Amino acid sequence: NAGVTQTPKFRILKIGQSMTLQCAQDMNHNYMYWYRQDPGMGLKLIYYSVGAGITDKGEVPNGYNVSRSTTEDFPLRLELAAPSQTSVYFCASSSIALGYTFGSGTRLTVV
Amino acid sequence: DAKTTQPPSMDCAEGRAANLPCNHSTISGNEYVYWYRQIHSQGPQYIIHGLKNNETNEMASLIITEDRKSSTLILPHATLRDTAVYYCIVRVEAAGNKLTFGGGTRVLVKP
Repeated sequence: NAGVTQTPKFRILKIGQSMTLQCAQDMNHNYMYWYRQDPGMGLKLIYYSVGAGITDKGEVPNGYNVSRSTTEDFPLRLELAAPSQTSVYFCASSSIALGYTFGSGTRLTVV
Repeated sequence: DAKTTQPPSMDCAEGRAANLPCNHSTISGNEYVYWYRQIHSQGPQYIIHGLKNNETNEMASLIITEDRKSSTLILPHATLRDTAVYYCIVRVEAAGNKLTFGGGTRVLVKP
């Protein structure tokens, strides 16, 4: 039981490039989330999903897109990378009884 | 979700109990108190949650005042590995409900 797996762990992007951050969970959780954390700050919600085919915006969705075609996977897409998107990205999934389970994060630098 | 107030930082001696306060004076009757912690550079980790009764698990104890306007997370025997940022969050326990992270308390356990 791996929990929440994020790939890659580290990435450097040039301004204007695009990439997809992968997130997969094997706990059969319906609910999944993407957060970003800037240095020294708390986590901010980007997007979330309450089930396959259903996604919604969080607090800071601009510059990002998501999809949820399966229960297990919730990829986050950056289309035109900007320096302001330099951050650590955390994916999480949840159930009512057990709270949230977070992945180990993707550290992204845009130069 | 109700807002919470936590001290920005606190120190604790190794082997002693760490008592982390949280104020949530505007909490609603159906909102739970959750505690998470984030050890440096890792994803947040669920610790404990409760509604109005005191709760205990293998990691910590949660004491909620009778009026539910404040709570205390107790780490009974702090170790150096408990050095982390601790987040107190209140939210309705319902499917897909989002976690909103504040600034948390930065706890430093000293030898």
